[in-house]
Amino acid sequence: QQPVQSPQAVILREGEDAVINCSSSKALYSVHWYRQKHGEAPVFLMILLKGGEQKGHEKISASFNEKKQQSSLYLTASQLSYSGTYFCGTASGGYQKVTFGTGTKLQVIP
Amino acid sequence: DTGVSQDPRHKITKRGQNVTFRCDPISEHNRLYWYRQTLGQGPEFLTYFQNEAQLEKSRLLSDRFSAERPKGSFSTLEIQRTEQGDSAMYLCASSVTQMTGRMNTEAFFGQGTRLTVV
Repeated sequence: QQPVQSPQAVILREGEDAVINCSSSKALYSVHWYRQKHGEAPVFLMILLKGGEQKGHEKISASFNEKKQQSSLYLTASQLSYSGTYFCGTASGGYQKVTFGTGTKLQVIP
Repeated sequence: DTGVSQDPRHKITKRGQNVTFRCDPISEHNRLYWYRQTLGQGPEFLTYFQNEAQLEKSRLLSDRFSAERPKGSFSTLEIQRTEQGDSAMYLCASSVTQMTGRMNTEAFFGQGTRLTVV
């Protein structure tokens, strides 16, 4: 099952904050966040694992609520370079495939 | 360059023709994924390999699609008798999946192969 992301799109002014949510109908082992700019490949941002381990970008943080099967990506003091489409990917087990959501399109304007 | 490499970057083919794409993962990455992405959508899972073993193939994938990863290194994705609906970006990603400890680590994507079926 494909994870559901919200919102579908958001426009921010530079310096504003944003939260992108990802929820799954299945129990999750890991959540993976990527950003994709138009015409480019998705770029890894962060991974969150069941049990609390995480690894990722310095200026971007995320949370993982295992009980609610949800994750949120927090973008603070947004910069123009943050513009792009953000995808969350989820895996229900350590060896399971990663399935991606439909994306959240983020646009940061001056 | 030590990233994921895909070839070709662009492919235009006539309907009914066969096409083959190649992916070279990051060295020592034992997991390799193929995804398909259409405009405005997230990457759609096609299949993935752990070393040379194909662990899962999407049920949405027709028999016209086949993938291989001989010797657990590079992988090829072949589409037979292409249809216009096959037009998409085909993305390959690789990761390290460890047998113990931290499993299912971050995947790194290649630049993709854009297929246009005319």
